[in-house]
Amino acid sequence: KAGVTQTPRYLIKTRGQQVTLSCSPISGHRSVSWYQQTPGQGLQFLFEYFSETQRNKGNFPGRFSGRQFSNSRSEMNVSTLELGDSALYLCASSLANGKNYGYTFGSGTRLTVV
Amino acid sequence: DQQVKQNSPSLSVQEGRISILNCDYTNSMFDYFLWYKKYPAEGPTFLISISSIKDKNEDGRFTVFLNKSAKHLSLHIVPSQPGDSAVYFCAASNAGNNRKLIWGLGTSLAVNP
Repeated sequence: KAGVTQTPRYLIKTRGQQVTLSCSPISGHRSVSWYQQTPGQGLQFLFEYFSETQRNKGNFPGRFSGRQFSNSRSEMNVSTLELGDSALYLCASSLANGKNYGYTFGSGTRLTVV
Repeated sequence: DQQVKQNSPSLSVQEGRISILNCDYTNSMFDYFLWYKKYPAEGPTFLISISSIKDKNEDGRFTVFLNKSAKHLSLHIVPSQPGDSAVYFCAASNAGNNRKLIWGLGTSLAVNP
């Protein structure tokens, strides 16, 4: 079966712009989580969506937002980009049925803000 | 406040030897622990997990040990292979926070031929 698909793979934006990243989970997975990975901070949790509702949220400013559609696909948006937003953004999906806690990650979107 | 800590940023071992990656946690409510492996330019991939009701889980060359009293877990890779060279992340969760995963910062393992 197809894995978690993230688009685009690479993105270059300038400060002040906004960006939208997309994630298509594994078929049947209803939970989608977003992470930011930077060299010094490891994997930082952004938010998790389940059945179109945000279920968990990390400690990121309001410039970071997301949503999930009825087909479980998710998007995250970052507005007013800052240089420090340059990172690898990872999406992970899971069944989230209370028994399977394993997350499957996509390959990520590498965002560079210049 | 880092609830999951991987105190060794890097580790280097010889091929064929044992690799031991360590992880400490502070939240006694964590009841499920996972290890992920990550290659450059790829997302992390699930490796092995352990529930707090167990103290050991084995899958091929990979074994995870959990010491609840010490709030410590470790991943053993025996024998280590060059293809194991990657960053290893430890993560923990508990039912009280909707199973949100809390991640360590990772340990970069280099297995030398």
